[in-house]
Amino acid sequence: NAGVMQNPRHLVRRRGQEARLRCSPMKGHSHVYWYRQLPEEGLKFMVYLQKENIIDESGMPKERFSAEFPKEGPSILRIQQVVRGDSAAYFCASSPDRSSYEQYFGPGTRLTVT
Amino acid sequence: AQTVTQSQPEMSVQEAETVTLSCTYDTSESDYYLFWYKQPPSRQMILVIRQEAYKQQNATENRFSVNFQKAAKSFSLKISDSQLGDAAMYFCAYRVFQGGSEKLVFGKGTKLTVNP
Repeated sequence: NAGVMQNPRHLVRRRGQEARLRCSPMKGHSHVYWYRQLPEEGLKFMVYLQKENIIDESGMPKERFSAEFPKEGPSILRIQQVVRGDSAAYFCASSPDRSSYEQYFGPGTRLTVT
Repeated sequence: AQTVTQSQPEMSVQEAETVTLSCTYDTSESDYYLFWYKQPPSRQMILVIRQEAYKQQNATENRFSVNFQKAAKSFSLKISDSQLGDAAMYFCAYRVFQGGSEKLVFGKGTKLTVNP
């Protein structure tokens, strides 16, 4: 059973470009969470999604950031018009349902904005 | 608001010795989960140990154990017989349930160095 997969592992974008980060949850998992880790910081919650639904996006910046988890395919975190402050590691986690105590983390995508 | 505080930015330990990492949290809920995650240089988040708040018994996983003090809202991690492979960032986390949502709230981490 493959773990949570994220791609790309490393992404370099110039200021003003768009970044698209992908997350494939573990098989059978329908709950996806995105976290951001700034340098020298802990992970901070961004958004919680179930298939075709955004459950909680309270941690998402109001502008430029969006997330989706379609019925088919991976979850996508999209950052439009990236700025240097968006440089961070972005982690995806998944769980089979809300009552599961554990979130299983992917290896993360390191975004560098030049 | 739920917060998690790790007061030790860095700790070091000699190989084979014991080290304790501190964590305190703030919550008004009575039922919750607490976790310690390890993040080695590869950046992969690895679950080390979890504790359910309703359980009085402290969780143990091989060389890793916790000291859970619910009244004091303290959740420390003890690593016994430290090994070089234990060197990593360690994050304490609290699982929040709010309405129809749930998420993890992390502390800022403690960098553990293991000296040979």
